[in-house]
Amino acid sequence: GAVVSQHPSWVICKSGTSVKIECRSLDFQATTMFWYRQFPKQSLMLMATSNEGSKATYEQGVEKDKFLINHASLTLSTLTVTSAHPEDSSFYICSARLPGTSGVAETQYFGPGTRLLVL
Amino acid sequence: AQKITQTQPGMFVQEKEAVTLDCTYDTSDQSYGLFWYKQPSSGEMIFLIYQGSYDEQNATEGRYSLNFQKARKSANLVISASQLGDSAMYFCAMTPYSSASKIIFGSGTRLSIRP
Repeated sequence: GAVVSQHPSWVICKSGTSVKIECRSLDFQATTMFWYRQFPKQSLMLMATSNEGSKATYEQGVEKDKFLINHASLTLSTLTVTSAHPEDSSFYICSARLPGTSGVAETQYFGPGTRLLVL
Repeated sequence: AQKITQTQPGMFVQEKEAVTLDCTYDTSDQSYGLFWYKQPSSGEMIFLIYQGSYDEQNATEGRYSLNFQKARKSANLVISASQLGDSAMYFCAMTPYSSASKIIFGSGTRLSIRP
């Protein structure tokens, strides 16, 4: 079955540092990946759509310079939280579009998520 | 407005009983997809089941079935013979045709299975 991995699963960093989170599709190619943020006891909030070989599309209210997304290959997308601050602490989760699904049937497979804590 | 509503923030069910998680949706699109995802405490979102708006039969996947009532705009998840491992958050989601690449999630229902 389709598997999406994320690394790291946990990260603790000091305020002002940058953190990179990797999202990989392990057994399929993903031209499109998605990045979400989830606050405790809340639903997922789409941050951006990552397209291989082109710029990411950010949702309204998401700072492009704060959350840098790179999708350099068909199996890897990265999210870099630049100059992280305590308010950036959250659960970040990526997903990839499952090949063979499209339109309203487009199915996203999710990674295990990354918990970020900024001190 | 495109919206998913899950009115049950939490549910407790005895092991081996069947459980129904409610989901209603709102969209003006004629074509849309409906999904259920499970999120255990580990955080991973696990795809459970899909139902297309034009599918005439209710979707089933093992112990999961989706009770699709189009006229009422409801897409309830039914879990038969619940197990302890079913304890998790469950999210109903929708992909309207007009924005099919963007999943609209409900607020979730926390299901707890009692032994």
